[in-house]
Amino acid sequence: EAGVVQSPRYKIIEKKQPVAFWCNPISGHNTLYWYLQNLGQGPELLIRYENEEAVDDSQLPKDRFSAERLKGVDSTLKIQPAELGDSAVYLCASSLGAGDIQYFGAGTRLSVL
Amino acid sequence: GNSVTQMEGPVTLSEEAFLTINCTYTATGYPSLFWYVQYPGEGLQLLLKATKADDKGSNKGFEATYRKETTSFHLEKGSVQVSDSAVYFCALDDNYGQNFVFGPGTRLSVLP
Repeated sequence: EAGVVQSPRYKIIEKKQPVAFWCNPISGHNTLYWYLQNLGQGPELLIRYENEEAVDDSQLPKDRFSAERLKGVDSTLKIQPAELGDSAVYLCASSLGAGDIQYFGAGTRLSVL
Repeated sequence: GNSVTQMEGPVTLSEEAFLTINCTYTATGYPSLFWYVQYPGEGLQLLLKATKADDKGSNKGFEATYRKETTSFHLEKGSVQVSDSAVYFCALDDNYGQNFVFGPGTRLSVLP
């Protein structure tokens, strides 16, 4: 069974440019999470979806970040415009439901120059 | 708010040495506790978990016991291998996935 798939694995952009990350969760998983992981730190939740509904986006900087999960399957996370401080690893995870084991993708490493 | 504290790394051990990585937590309720492992170039993987006080989670020779009285969930392994080299994250969940908090991670390097 395929795990959580994220793309791209790496992205290098100049500041003020837009960028998008894509996540394909494990088939049948209703809950999807986006996390931000800064160097040397643990993941921090950005947004959580239950099917297509964003049920917790309190930590998402809404002035520049946006996310969507169309049809309750794949999800995209977008930053526009990117800032130097956005350089980090963006992790996607999915679970059968809230409270179930989370399975993580390998992440997208973003470098903003 | 909830938080997780881990011992600072990196931790460097020789193969077959005993491992302890300390983890303590602060939570308002009775959280579930987890250890995740991240191998180089890979995503986080659940290593073990415990859902109530005095539970012991175990997997791949690793163990951790949920100690409510000391709010701790220390990770132990009796004999580490080079392949155990990774970053280990302690985490808690006090609301069925709605309040999942990770610690900062501890990097373990095992030398042959």
